[in-house]
This record gives sequence, structure tokens and C-alpha cells, in this order.
Amino acid sequence: AQKVTQAQTEISVVEKEDVTLDCVYETRDTTYYLFWYKQPPSGELVFLIRRNSFDEQNEISGRYSWNFQKSTSSFNFTITASQVVDSAVYFCALLGGNTPLVFGKGTRLSVIA
Amino acid sequence: DAMVIQNPRYQVTQFGKPVTLSCSQTLNHNVMYWYQQKSSQAPKLLFHYYDKDFNNEADTPDNFQSRRPNTSFCFLDIRSPGLGDAAMYLCATSSNRGFGQPQHFGDGTRLSIL
Repeated sequence: AQKVTQAQTEISVVEKEDVTLDCVYETRDTTYYLFWYKQPPSGELVFLIRRNSFDEQNEISGRYSWNFQKSTSSFNFTITASQVVDSAVYFCALLGGNTPLVFGKGTRLSVIA
Repeated sequence: DAMVIQNPRYQVTQFGKPVTLSCSQTLNHNVMYWYQQKSSQAPKLLFHYYDKDFNNEADTPDNFQSRRPNTSFCFLDIRSPGLGDAAMYLCATSSNRGFGQPQHFGDGTRLSIL
């Protein structure tokens, strides 16, 4: 069975601090994909990144970076120099071979000015 | 430019009164999904269409139906809404099922039941 665990329910940081959101997944598939989505208060889910199981290269996009480690089944997301506009709920998700997208329960990030 | 459009943004209906939520897309994607998201929870997949092929999740209540008259449009019908159906309903599309294609979401319709 596919499972995604986001152990951090809520995180609060002060603006300009770095913050890491944890994601641990379980799957028996050898080919799978991992995603991060951002859900701001307005409600839409915004796609941030996709990683496939064969690509463990870390990725950086501006202030965002992702660390994928198959050895620990983790796909963590770091925001550097956080800003108030980063306040949102962040979902990690897993797509296996022939199964629907499975979401974690989300981490609510509050960035305080 | 909005690519997955959901109307209305907010919908209020009465207990037991049928309601229809709509979703349209300009991406020409093959797959369209409907999710239900309750407060402080992850989105839960209700069903999806792969072209005209309808795929219902096993635990989706019979009260929820869907129609996809063409590639661009998909509707969610709730035949007799109960108080427990109050939620955000999210429509999403992807270019293909599987192969790791990301899903692109609309802004959602927040449904309230009186």
C-alpha cells in the first residue's frame, strides 16, 4: 500500500528563517513519483515539483530546495529565508504504478513577520 | 491564464437539494479528477475520467455522480447533499494517467449545506 507521512502538522517560523518540511513515504513500487503541492489560504493546490524514483538528484529553485533520499524513503522540502507569502499548507504526494495520487496530511506553515 | 476553471467559487445549497459543480480546462488533458477536501484534511479522490472512461473510487458514496460531456468539461453532481458533504471540491487534470504526470488543480468550489 502507498502511504505518505508528514509528521509535522504545524510549523511557525519568523520571516527570513529557513524551514524544512519533512515527508516520508512507503511504497512497494520500483517506479514511482513524488510531488510537493502548496495550498495557500485561497484554496487552490499549486504544483511545486515532481521527482521520479530513479532521480535522486537534489533540486533547487530559487528559495526552494528538495532533498530526495531513497535510502530513508524521504523527500524533504526546504524554504530558505522564508517570507510571509510562503504561509500555506504544503502537501507531499506519491504516485505509484497503477494507483491514485496519495497525499500526506499536510503541514501548515505560518511565517510571521 | 487560468487553465483549470471551477464554477462557482462558493456554492450554498439546502440539505437534500441536488447541486452541480462544474469544471472546465483549457489544457486538453485526457484525465480529469474530482477530489473532496474537508477542513484540515488532505484531498480525497472521488473519481476520475480517463477520456470517457469513468473510474469510481471504491469508497465514494453513491450520492456523488459525475459527467464528462466532452474533453473540456466535467461535472460533479451531488444528488442529495447531507451536512457531511460540506467541503472544498477540487477538480484536477493531467495529460495522462500514471507516468508521473503532475495534476493541475483548479481553485476549488467551497460547498456549504444549510
